[in-house]
Amino acid sequence: GIQVEQSPPDLILQEGANSTLRCNFSDSVNNLQWFHQNPWGQLINLFYIPSGTKQNGRLSATTVATERYSLLYISSSQTTDSGVYFCAVIQTSGSRLTFGEGTQLTVNP
Amino acid sequence: EPEVTQTPSHQVTQMGQEVILRCVPISNHLYFYWYRQILGQKVEFLVSFYNNEISEKSEIFDDQFSVERPDGSNFTLKIRSTKLEDSAMYFCASRRLGGTDTQYFGPGTRLTVL
Repeated sequence: GIQVEQSPPDLILQEGANSTLRCNFSDSVNNLQWFHQNPWGQLINLFYIPSGTKQNGRLSATTVATERYSLLYISSSQTTDSGVYFCAVIQTSGSRLTFGEGTQLTVNP
Repeated sequence: EPEVTQTPSHQVTQMGQEVILRCVPISNHLYFYWYRQILGQKVEFLVSFYNNEISEKSEIFDDQFSVERPDGSNFTLKIRSTKLEDSAMYFCASRRLGGTDTQYFGPGTRLTVL
C-alpha cells in the first residue's frame, strides 16, 4: 500500500514563530487532507488539497502532486496551535485514507 | 455547519463483552467509514460502507467486527467479543461523493477494555 511520511516528527516553537510541516507520499493520490488533532483527541479538518495551494487565516498548504509531497505552513503560531498534525491521502485507485505518523507541535508562550 | 456525531464519547467495557459504537453521518453523505487510533499511534482505516454494503475493509477488520446502517441516519460498529487490544479511539467519517471529496470525521469514541 501507499506510504505516507511526515517530518519533522516533533517541533517545538515559541509563540509567534512560523513553521513548515512536510508530507511525502509514495504513489499517486486523488485526495490529500491535513488534520489537526487537538488535546481532546478530535480530528479537525484543516485542508482538502489534492493539488495546488490554499490558505485559511494563518494556515496555508501546498501540494505538488507530481512530486508527491505536501507542505503545511503555520504563521505567527499560537499556543492553541499545539497538537498533532496529520497528513492523510487516498491512493488514486482506492477510497481509504492512509495517515502519516503525524508531527507533534508544541508552541510555548 | 453539519457535522458527524458519535455516541458515546467514552465507553468502558470488560474483556469479552460486546460493544456497539454509534455514528450519525452528515445527512446527504453517501460513503461511511470507521477508523481507529490506538493511543500514541497513527489513525488506521477499518472499513468503508456504501450502498448498504462494505466496499473495502482492512486486515484489522476481522470476524469480530461488523457494521450496519440500521436506518436512514445511524451507522454502527459492533465489536462482538472485545479484547484488551481493542482499546482505542474509534472515529466515524462520512463523505458526500465518491472518489475525490473531503472525509469529515466525528469527535470519536474512546473505548477502554478492562
